[in-house]
Amino acid sequence: EVQLVESGGGLVQPGGSLRLSCAASGFTFSSYSMNWVRQAPGKGLEWVSYISSSSSTIYYADSVKGRFTISRDNAKNSLNLQMNSLRAEDTAVYYCARVQENGGFDYWGQGTLVTVSS
Amino acid sequence: SYELTQPPSVSVSPGQTARITCSGDALPKQYAYWYQQKPGQAPVLVIYKDSERPSGIPERFSGSSSGTTVTLTISGVQADDEADYYCQLADSSGTSWVFGGGTKLTVL
Repeated sequence: EVQLVESGGGLVQPGGSLRLSCAASGFTFSSYSMNWVRQAPGKGLEWVSYISSSSSTIYYADSVKGRFTISRDNAKNSLNLQMNSLRAEDTAVYYCARVQENGGFDYWGQGTLVTVSS
Repeated sequence: SYELTQPPSVSVSPGQTARITCSGDALPKQYAYWYQQKPGQAPVLVIYKDSERPSGIPERFSGSSSGTTVTLTISGVQADDEADYYCQLADSSGTSWVFGGGTKLTVL
């Protein structure tokens, strides 16, 4: 069974940092590209970042470029998101999501809540 | 970047057909994807590549495309279909993804 489990969320002050992780199991993690998608409270979905299976290709949404860094460790079946210079508008539930060959995001974690507030 | 426009809400009675639209200039060039999200849960992919249905998704879910609009159709709506629905596509260079604003489907 495919499972994605996010961790690392919490309360952080504006300007602070946080590192999210996503533990993958039930599939060959190293064969799949992955994404981070976030959802602010009561709002819609927003794509955040993409990383290819080998980490050779990485993309970011303009809203996080220069502040967030996506990475993965295929040996540990782990996806990460280092978030620096956090702002109030980064407050959201952060989901990791697998990219299927058809281009859709076919499996999602349960999400981890990041709250940026003083 | 580009935008995808969805109606904020759609309401139907049980057994009726719900149609949720998603409009955007990039749609004729890129495949669209649809996700269902119930309160407190992660999104679930219900349609990929405009009209394909993942395994495990009921046949009453279908997708279509015409020009700059894609449509998610739910036939014989059930109470369990009440959820938020989001369209999504990648940009033409495949370097970013965009979600529509979401449509809340209410089953009366």
